[in-house]
Amino acid sequence: DAKTTQPPSMDCAEGRAANLPCNHSTISGNEYVYWYRQIHSQGPQYIIHGLKNNETNEMASLIITEDRKSSTLILPHATLRDTAVYYCIVRETGGFKTIFGAGTRLFVKA
Amino acid sequence: EPEVTQTPSHQVTQMGQEVILRCVPISNHLYFYWYRQILGQKVEFLVSFYNNEISEKSEIFDDQFSVERPDGSNFTLKIRSTKLEDSAMYFCASSEILQNQPQHFGDGTRLSIL
Repeated sequence: DAKTTQPPSMDCAEGRAANLPCNHSTISGNEYVYWYRQIHSQGPQYIIHGLKNNETNEMASLIITEDRKSSTLILPHATLRDTAVYYCIVRETGGFKTIFGAGTRLFVKA
Repeated sequence: EPEVTQTPSHQVTQMGQEVILRCVPISNHLYFYWYRQILGQKVEFLVSFYNNEISEKSEIFDDQFSVERPDGSNFTLKIRSTKLEDSAMYFCASSEILQNQPQHFGDGTRLSIL
């Protein structure tokens, strides 16, 4: 089973920041947090990952709390094309499989 | 940007027939994976493959399934005798050295069993 909890759906206005929360209270020291998204029926698209420090790339920012029990994915300026299911995943270093939960369905509205 | 490519995009097969799904992973990646997603359900792990061996497989990956890297660029999933419940999207993924590197997914093959 997935080790994360996410809200089933969220709305965001176009041009605003989308903040997607994730709880992973049982995360252990060697587990990373990964975020993927799935647009319609396409393959999951990797967004960002981190261990304990905040991370930023061209797509998003990842904020991990100091106790690592939760994290937030931030899309700084959401567009209509960001409408997708977003998955927060915890995976151990050296682990093979990625276990997907139900994710958060983000609706970006004009 | 390099990507994982999968062919065909849609495969229709009669129940009981064999089917082979093909994937070209990203060229410098060493770990390969298959996942499936039944319509409306979660993405499920099937198998991981490294150094010409299966490194991990799920309960779904029974004797009807096999994987192969027939040459230096392709990675295939074979279903020996398809069942109606095998109808799903099948995603191939690949990753660099295992450690913390993310898996990159293809856009999938939609398998429809009639």
